[in-house]
Order: sequence, then structure tokens, then C-alpha cells
Amino acid sequence: RVTLRESGPALVKPTQTLTLTCTFSGFSLNTSGMCVSWIRQPPGKALEWLAHIDWVDDKYYSPSLKTRLIISKDTSKNQVVLTMTNMDPVDTATYYCARTVTTAVIRPFDYWGQGTLVTVSS
Amino acid sequence: SYELTQPPSVSVSPGQTARITCSGDALPKKFCYWYQQKSGQAPVLVIYEDNKRPSGIPERFSGSSSGTVATLTISGARMEDEGDYYCYSTDRSDNHRVFGGGTKVTVL
Repeated sequence: RVTLRESGPALVKPTQTLTLTCTFSGFSLNTSGMCVSWIRQPPGKALEWLAHIDWVDDKYYSPSLKTRLIISKDTSKNQVVLTMTNMDPVDTATYYCARTVTTAVIRPFDYWGQGTLVTVSS
Repeated sequence: SYELTQPPSVSVSPGQTARITCSGDALPKKFCYWYQQKSGQAPVLVIYEDNKRPSGIPERFSGSSSGTVATLTISGARMEDEGDYYCYSTDRSDNHRVFGGGTKVTVL
């Protein structure tokens, strides 16, 4: 059974760096075709894709946020970490991690974590 | 930057058909994916690669794509289908991976 769970601070101050961890089970990021992405959703607003890492450690970022984001993986711990620098109140959102499978068919975000709400406020 | 455009809202009577559109310039070349999100929950993939249904998704959900418009159809809508629906795709270069703005479906 595939599961993902996000963890990190619920509150950060403006200008601080946010570090979120996605801990997953039921698949391995050493397996060909497996990827994990981060997606966020401000309260009452639409989903926004942030970053993606795959089994060969290729990384992709939202062009509008790429200067502030770093995604990495620790396959021994089944974890993916996202850091976002220079946090601002507009970054207040629920942050999700989700799995993507890119094998014979492509299924982006077929499993999601429950999300973690991050509030940016002084 | 690349954008996918959805109508903000769609209303449908129980048992009737709801259609949600998603417009994007790259859709003739790129697959469209659809997600259902109910209040307070994480999204769920309901259609992948334009028209394929994951296991466990009811047959009343179907997808199609023609030219620059992809469509999610809910045939015989039920109250439990209420929620927000998002399309997702990429631009031609795969550099921009985007969600549409979301469509709120109301069954009444």
C-alpha cells in the first residue's frame, strides 16, 4: 500500500527558510519510473505545482519559484525534502507531496499525502 | 508562462451530465489529467492520459481531448461528485507543469 506523509513547521516567520519532509512507503525512489513532487494550495485557491524529483535524481522546478526551491531525496529513509527560502505571507498554503509514475503509462500524482498547512506570519 | 483555463463553476442536476472543459495551447500534443478534490481532502486522480480511468474510479467519469480543449464528463452525476476539479498538463517543452484554476461542481 502506497502512503505519503508531509511533516514540517506549521508556522514560519517572513524571510525564514521552510524545510518540509515527505516520508513515503509502498514504493522506492530507486525504482525506475518513480518520482515525487511537491504541490501547494493557498487557502481557497488553486493547486500549484512546485518541484519534482525522479529515480535518477533529475530535478525540475516551477519556473516562477526555482530560485527559492531545492528538492532532494534520501532513498535509504524513503524521504524527499523540499526547502523554500525567503518565505512570505503569500506562501501560506497547504503543502502536499505526491507520487508520479512514469512507466509504460504516465500517472502524475496518483497518490497524495494528507497535506500540511504552513502559515507565514510574524 | 503556460496556462490551463477552466470555468470557475458548473452546476448539474442529480442524474444529469456535467462537462468540465480545460483549454491549453499545448493540449494537442500533451496529455491532460484530472483530479477531484473534496472539501478538506487531498486531490484524487480521476482521469489520466486524457481518457483513462484509474482503478476504483466510477465509470461515470470519462475524459476526452480534441484540439486545445480537454473535457471531463460526469455522466449521471451524484451528490457525492460535488467538489473542485482540476486539470493538469505541461507545455510543449515540459518546462511548465501546471494545474488549471479549478472548477467547482455543484450537484443540485
